[in-house]
Amino acid sequence: AQSVAQPEDQVKVAEGNPLTVKCTYSVSGNPYLFWYVQYPNRGLQFLLKYITGDNLVKGSYGFEAEFNKSQTSFHLKKPSALVSDSALYFCAVRDDDYKLSFGAGTTVTVRA
Amino acid sequence: DTGVSQNPRHKITKRGQNVTFRCDPISEHNRLYWYRQTLGQGPEFLTYFQNEAQLEKSRLLSDRFSAERPKGSFSTLEIQRTEQGDSAMYLCASSTTGELFFGEGSRLTVL
Repeated sequence: AQSVAQPEDQVKVAEGNPLTVKCTYSVSGNPYLFWYVQYPNRGLQFLLKYITGDNLVKGSYGFEAEFNKSQTSFHLKKPSALVSDSALYFCAVRDDDYKLSFGAGTTVTVRA
Repeated sequence: DTGVSQNPRHKITKRGQNVTFRCDPISEHNRLYWYRQTLGQGPEFLTYFQNEAQLEKSRLLSDRFSAERPKGSFSTLEIQRTEQGDSAMYLCASSTTGELFFGEGSRLTVL
């Protein structure tokens, strides 16, 4: 079965500092990986995806993610965090039926 | 707005009552998904449709839950005889073969 894990419940950074949100995956076959963000009482917004190709994927709002096959990781990064990036972030993996399985989520707090 | 639309956004009901949620997907999307999200957890897959065909149902979807997509357009999720454990956010998403686009969700509170 496909699955992802987000080892950190919370990440706190100061505004302007780099932000990293960790995700590891377990799949049989090729991984199709996604990052979504959720603001309070809202649905999920797509940030970026890795299907194939370059290991560094660029997405919305200045986010990027690095796919590392040897470490089975897909960490989300932003070089300079903003207070408005404070939200709940989910990593997800897609199966052959195009369903997504989500991690438990990481709450990001960016302090001014 | 051409995104995924869900109604109602909030529903408060008493235990034992039936509730129905509606999802209108992005018009050209043939796949439609229902997820459930409880506080502090990631979304959990419930069921999905390709056009009007319901292709998979999760074990989470008990007999009290039923979903339909009668003409391959909008979908409804009905919960019969609601229980307090049904309190959650019910998320709908649609896609073609790429990323899923989510609606704002329907929050259910069962008293």
